[in-house]
Amino acid sequence: GENVEQHPSTLSVQEGDSAVIKCTYSDSASNYFPWYKQELGKRPQLIIDIRSNVGEKKDQRIAVTLNKTAKHFSLHITETQPEDSAVYFCAAFFSGTYKYIFGTGTRLKVLA
Amino acid sequence: GAGVSQSPSNKVTEKGKDVELRCDPISGHTALYWYRQSLGQGLEFLIYFQGNSAPDKSGLPSDRFSAERTGGSVSTLTIQRTQQEDSAVYLCASSLVDRGTEAFFGQGTRLTVV
Repeated sequence: GENVEQHPSTLSVQEGDSAVIKCTYSDSASNYFPWYKQELGKRPQLIIDIRSNVGEKKDQRIAVTLNKTAKHFSLHITETQPEDSAVYFCAAFFSGTYKYIFGTGTRLKVLA
Repeated sequence: GAGVSQSPSNKVTEKGKDVELRCDPISGHTALYWYRQSLGQGLEFLIYFQGNSAPDKSGLPSDRFSAERTGGSVSTLTIQRTQQEDSAVYLCASSLVDRGTEAFFGQGTRLTVV
């Protein structure tokens, strides 16, 4: 079935350190993988995305890598700052059913 | 331009009552999704609309839940005979096409069943 697993569920890092969040997906036909950041009480907002024809994408301090063979993708945040503290969701777009299925979320805490 | 708009922002209802939640997607977005987010939890898929196609209702948790989308634009999610376990934030999202592009979320409706 359509499934996205996300790890870890919580992550605490010291300010300035890097954070890595990992996701796996079930459908090899998935072709689009967005990452959303949700601050407390706010709506999820896209921070970076990657398509299946690309292995890595970077935008300033955040990067996403995709391994199609292993069906997993990861979010990397470098030089973390307190404002990076939020819940991060990965998602996979299942092209057969046109659904975004989200991971269960990672609560990131950046300690000053 | 205007983003995805949901109303009401908050709804408190008594157990057993029916509620309607509304979503106005971004103009021109053909795909519309409903998700449920329980406190501190992830985004649970409920239903998906794409153009004039039959909706994908595979995520609806029970027959008390239904949704419609009129004229390919506004959508309403209806919960009949609400139960306490229905308490959650209901998020709507829309996207431009169905081939995988950014989905924009509304601010959500926080439903509390007392």
